[in-house]
Amino acid sequence: NAGVTQTPKFQVLKTGQSMTLQCAQDMNHNSMYWYRQDPGMGLRLIYYSASEGTTDKGEVPNGYNVSRLNKREFSLRLESAAPSQTSVYFCASSLIWAGGLNEQFFGPGTRLTVL
Amino acid sequence: GENVEQHPSTLSVQEGDSAVIKCTYSDSASNYFPWYKQELGKRPQLIIDIRSNVGEKKDQRIAVTLNKTAKHFSLHITETQPEDSAVYFCAASRDGGSQGNLIFGKGTKLSVKP
Repeated sequence: NAGVTQTPKFQVLKTGQSMTLQCAQDMNHNSMYWYRQDPGMGLRLIYYSASEGTTDKGEVPNGYNVSRLNKREFSLRLESAAPSQTSVYFCASSLIWAGGLNEQFFGPGTRLTVL
Repeated sequence: GENVEQHPSTLSVQEGDSAVIKCTYSDSASNYFPWYKQELGKRPQLIIDIRSNVGEKKDQRIAVTLNKTAKHFSLHITETQPEDSAVYFCAASRDGGSQGNLIFGKGTKLSVKP
């Protein structure tokens, strides 16, 4: 099992450019998440998908969109990148959304720099 | 919504000493409290968790305690080793509803000096 995979690992964008971060899991998990991690800020939830076919905003959704393509894949899109979106992005998945069975497994992260 | 505060933000101990990291939460309905460890440049990984019907849980050198009345929980690491050096995150969540997501603390950077 590969677990949770993310592409790309590193990316540099110019202000205004767009890009999509890809995430896939092979654990047959129902729930998937996108976080951003900034120094001293911990992990902040951008969007989540409690189950296939549903997506919801997290704590910091502005400037992002998501697509739950199927049960395995959950993508994050930056339509017009801004320097404030420079961060490390983690995708995660869990068996279910809540109920104490929501141990989250994280991908390796994408380090994004917006110039 | 839920708010999780974590202290201290940095912690330095000598190898073999104990380390304690504390978190407080605001939502009395929260009932699941995991701890994640993130080594430098790596992904966060679950190291231990506790549910609200349990007061303490141990796994070798790691233990977590929960005080529901005071709404705080703590991570205890005994006999620390250099490989324990990492950033530790606490989190809280509750079953169902709009608050099923994990809410993370801001993290504690633990340094274990040989």
